[in-house]
Amino acid sequence: QKEVEQNSGPLSVPEGAIASLNCTYSDRVSQSFFWYRQYSGKSPELIMSIYSNGDKEDGRFTAQLNKASQYVSLLIRDSQPSDSATYLCAVDTGRRALTFGSGTRLQVQP
Amino acid sequence: DTGVSQDPRHKITKRGQNVTFRCDPISEHNRLYWYRQTLGQGPEFLTYFQNEAQLEKSRLLSDRFSAERPKGSFSTLEIQRTEQGDSAMYLCASSSRLAGGYFTDTQYFGPGTRLTVL
Repeated sequence: QKEVEQNSGPLSVPEGAIASLNCTYSDRVSQSFFWYRQYSGKSPELIMSIYSNGDKEDGRFTAQLNKASQYVSLLIRDSQPSDSATYLCAVDTGRRALTFGSGTRLQVQP
Repeated sequence: DTGVSQDPRHKITKRGQNVTFRCDPISEHNRLYWYRQTLGQGPEFLTYFQNEAQLEKSRLLSDRFSAERPKGSFSTLEIQRTEQGDSAMYLCASSSRLAGGYFTDTQYFGPGTRLTVL
């Protein structure tokens, strides 16, 4: 079992819709969770971080964390074609190094 | 603050050659990380520095790989006797613990160095 699992996609949503991206992790001592966006050929760009159970909102983005279920998600409201990218879930188990999932490719159709 | 920078951005080399990459972190960030990313995968951790001390190395980091951060500022990653399997994007990230803050840092990535070994 991979430490951080994501559906590879592609996840296709129409412009203006809500995109829901999911991630599960295996290490229960995981403390911090991050979502990065990566455009093709570019490096990861931080979107959100979340540390406590519940929701955290930043503009069109909402991160949700459920430590009991070992589940973290990212919602993108009013999706735009410019949101089309690969979204990487990253987990910090306290070792400093981040453990990444393989990413979910999102396609927003105009 | 100009962000994390990496040099070169692209490197093509022949199998068996040595290559060296440089990373300049965000100024005043005391933590620096190297990751490797291959197509279709997320970044994989290679090594981590706090100031000039190399505190952790992944099992992925074979003896052909060495990293330094001599003055606690920029870092170099050298790969000796490159192999075709070393072809990847090499990413550098830096972070600094927030004052009064959380039990982890937020890592910001540089643009990466894409290595192609022929």
